[in-house]
Amino acid sequence: SQKIEQNSEALNIQEGKTATLTCNYTNYSPAYLQWYRQDPGRGPVFLLLIRENEKEKRKERLKVTFDTTLKQSLFHITASQPADSATYLCALETGANNLFFGTGTRLTVIP
Amino acid sequence: DTAVSQTPKYLVTQMGNDKSIKCEQNLGHDTMYWYKQDSKKFLKIMFSYNNKELIINETVPNRFSPKSPDKAHLNLHINSLELGDSAVYFCASSHPRDSLDTQYFGPGTRLTVL
Repeated sequence: SQKIEQNSEALNIQEGKTATLTCNYTNYSPAYLQWYRQDPGRGPVFLLLIRENEKEKRKERLKVTFDTTLKQSLFHITASQPADSATYLCALETGANNLFFGTGTRLTVIP
Repeated sequence: DTAVSQTPKYLVTQMGNDKSIKCEQNLGHDTMYWYKQDSKKFLKIMFSYNNKELIINETVPNRFSPKSPDKAHLNLHINSLELGDSAVYFCASSHPRDSLDTQYFGPGTRLTVL
């Protein structure tokens, strides 16, 4: 069965630096992969989707890459701000109407 | 203009009781879901309904019974609550045809079983 590993449970970086979060999966390559942000006490919020035939996707300060050879997606936040502090989840499609979520990386941006 | 709403937000109850959590979405989506997020923050799908019909039923005890009276509602009823049921339950919806299963989550219901 599919397994997802997101790098370290927690990641601390200085404000202004680029945060890089990793999502590795072990089994078949999904047709697409999604990234969500979750703040404490709230539901996850969709950020970006990248398809298997796309190498890179950008949205404002966010960038996602998808390498099906390495079975890895990287999620970058450039010029990070304290407001970016949250838990970030990657999710892989597993078939019709189904996503499989990683356990997330808790990012803290230090002012 | 709440997109996906759940009630109640907090639920504290005794072991053995029966409880329900309600979910409504006003996005016009065809598919609704229930997820369970445990203390380690692992978000796991429990059920998926498309147009009121059950599509996915992961390995969940049959004490959990979803009910979808219409496309906009998916309620979760739990019988004979156990300590291990304590978690945050999220409802979500999506419109697969347009958005490749992008999930819109509710605010969650924190269930505590004593």
